[in-house]
Amino acid sequence: AQKITQTQPGMFVQEKEAVTLDCTYDTSDPSYGLFWYKQPSSGEMIFLIYQGSYDQQNATEGRYSLNFQKARKSANLVISASQLGDSAMYFCAMREGSTGANNLFFGTGTRLTVIP
Amino acid sequence: EPEVTQTPSHQVTQMGQEVILRCVPISNHLYFYWYRQILGQKVEFLVSFYNNEISEKSEIFDDQFSVERPDGSNFTLKIRSTKLEDSAMYFCASSEARYTGELFFGEGSRLTVL
Repeated sequence: AQKITQTQPGMFVQEKEAVTLDCTYDTSDPSYGLFWYKQPSSGEMIFLIYQGSYDQQNATEGRYSLNFQKARKSANLVISASQLGDSAMYFCAMREGSTGANNLFFGTGTRLTVIP
Repeated sequence: EPEVTQTPSHQVTQMGQEVILRCVPISNHLYFYWYRQILGQKVEFLVSFYNNEISEKSEIFDDQFSVERPDGSNFTLKIRSTKLEDSAMYFCASSEARYTGELFFGEGSRLTVL
């Protein structure tokens, strides 16, 4: 089974609108971390936001927020007030914390296109 | 702002040649990683490194690959006898801690094997 599933290969959003990128995860480890990364066309991986499994509140970083629904095992990224520069690939990733694994499992990504 | 730097940004090599990709992690970070992204596919974990030894590796990281921290700043990935399927973007990353905090990625080294 996939550890991270991103079901939206591509998304479009109008500039200044909000958009939600979906991510579901699969783990039996009670301790884990969830990450979102942005990959523009230039190729670098840019960290956006992190949510720990024991965090009580949803993470927020500027225009990015993570809608963490633990029971549903979902960690959707919400981008508010989209900008043209937000057009990129977005990857959800998970690290399992207590099994000795300290590597990230990535999803297949969602390509976001912001329309002027 | 401190960042992870990688060299070269792009390397073209002939099949069967050896390649060394270099990384300078963020200076106060203790954990170092290599990831790979084949064009159009997801990012895959290769190896993590801590305290001068490999702490974990994936099934991709076979005897063809090796990592080293030859001095206090560089972290290298060596690929011996490259194959066509080794063509990918290779990302170095570092983190302060193991189970908390984000991984900071470099800009990647694109390897093309002909």
